[in-house]
Amino acid sequence: DAGITQSPRYKITETGRQVTLMCHQTWSHSYMFWYRQDLGHGLRLIYYSAAADITDKGEVPDGYVVSRSKTENFPLTLESATRSQTSVYFCASSEAAGTSGTGELFFGEGSRLTVL
Amino acid sequence: AQRVTQPEKLLSVFKGAPVELKCNYSYSGSPELFWYVQYSRQRLQLLLRHISRESIKGFTADLNKGETSFHLKKPFAQEEDSAMYYCALNQAGTALIFGKGTTLSVSS
Repeated sequence: DAGITQSPRYKITETGRQVTLMCHQTWSHSYMFWYRQDLGHGLRLIYYSAAADITDKGEVPDGYVVSRSKTENFPLTLESATRSQTSVYFCASSEAAGTSGTGELFFGEGSRLTVL
Repeated sequence: AQRVTQPEKLLSVFKGAPVELKCNYSYSGSPELFWYVQYSRQRLQLLLRHISRESIKGFTADLNKGETSFHLKKPFAQEEDSAMYYCALNQAGTALIFGKGTTLSVSS
């Protein structure tokens, strides 16, 4: 199906383990984003990417790594998971962002990660 | 620093009552503002953007640069409006930053 999909939808892991959350979009959107959603904090930007091989930090990048070797994929890796990274993670994509004209953000369904 | 403030975590109203979800922003340039909504068991989705000056599902929002506000309003709330609402600001050249969100609960 066309759209933006995240996997896994639910993940339980232990402190110190590496976890990768996948995000795939079929629209060939230039921009992709990772946000985390936490009670009391709303949505916070972790990383974003303007195109393949171009990534940049958001508000809360520490402890996360991203890559964008292909336009359609934007995986988010927690290199050594901590309890504070327990959250719901949302991937989004858009045609454009910034002064060039803001495209609508299309969100995935979210990945709920629990770090024990 | 750019910031989006939604002062209310929860707003509870009765069906048919007017609704106003507050949003204030801090931004040095010309702001581009949005409202996104997350209904139960659905994805976050765009509700409206200030440049469109449109009404979606009966909601409107006017950008007030003097008060640095972008409040979301609806004259008569419906139960299906119950959801989490996020105000968002476009940072030129980067990405959207979101407020902490307001949960709207409409009861009959």
